[in-house]
Amino acid sequence: DAGITQSPRYKITETGRQVTLMCHQTWSHSYMFWYRQDLGHGLRLIYYSAAADITDKGEVPDGYVVSRSKTENFPLTLESATRSQTSVYFCASSVGGTRTARDTQYFGPGTRLTVL
Amino acid sequence: GIQVEQSPPDLILQEGANSTLRCNFSDSVNNLQWFHQNPWGQLINLFYIPSGTKQNGRLSATTVATERYSLLYISSSQTTDSGVYFCAVEGTTDSWGKFQFGAGTQVVVTP
Repeated sequence: DAGITQSPRYKITETGRQVTLMCHQTWSHSYMFWYRQDLGHGLRLIYYSAAADITDKGEVPDGYVVSRSKTENFPLTLESATRSQTSVYFCASSVGGTRTARDTQYFGPGTRLTVL
Repeated sequence: GIQVEQSPPDLILQEGANSTLRCNFSDSVNNLQWFHQNPWGQLINLFYIPSGTKQNGRLSATTVATERYSLLYISSSQTTDSGVYFCAVEGTTDSWGKFQFGAGTQVVVTP
């Protein structure tokens, strides 16, 4: 029972390159989320998805693209990486939309991305 | 969007002490959760608590939705309680899923 996984765990890239961070969950949760965590800013929502083919912007979406063709996967792409996108990226999932404890978010282990 | 403030920003405790962490939010919420981020970076959900009181072992939480705050209590603290505690909310006027995190409370428990 893998739960929620992220890959890669660590990534170093250069300015201007395209990078894709992967997120996979095995619970068939409807909702999935991408956050970035930076010192001094806590966790900020980048994009979220209520179901396959339904995505919406969070607080800091600029420079990122998401897709969700399958319920279990929610990749995050940096189309042209910038140094300001150096961060730790967390993916999360939840059943969502029930207004019960089933809306609890479960987080992946994170991906540490460095853009040189 | 909804604003979330956590206090105190930092807390140093001796093992065995009790403490209270606070989360204030600026609007009505559909969802409020408390998380613990351990020193290795893993985020673990502690409570789903948009209202009322819950307890789980040495931890308990209370949310007074009408007054727009939530409290997390740590009793008989242990060194394993060290880390950052986050409050996250989903406002009623926001889309479902649009969560806002507080800046966190950094807790250090010393032996």
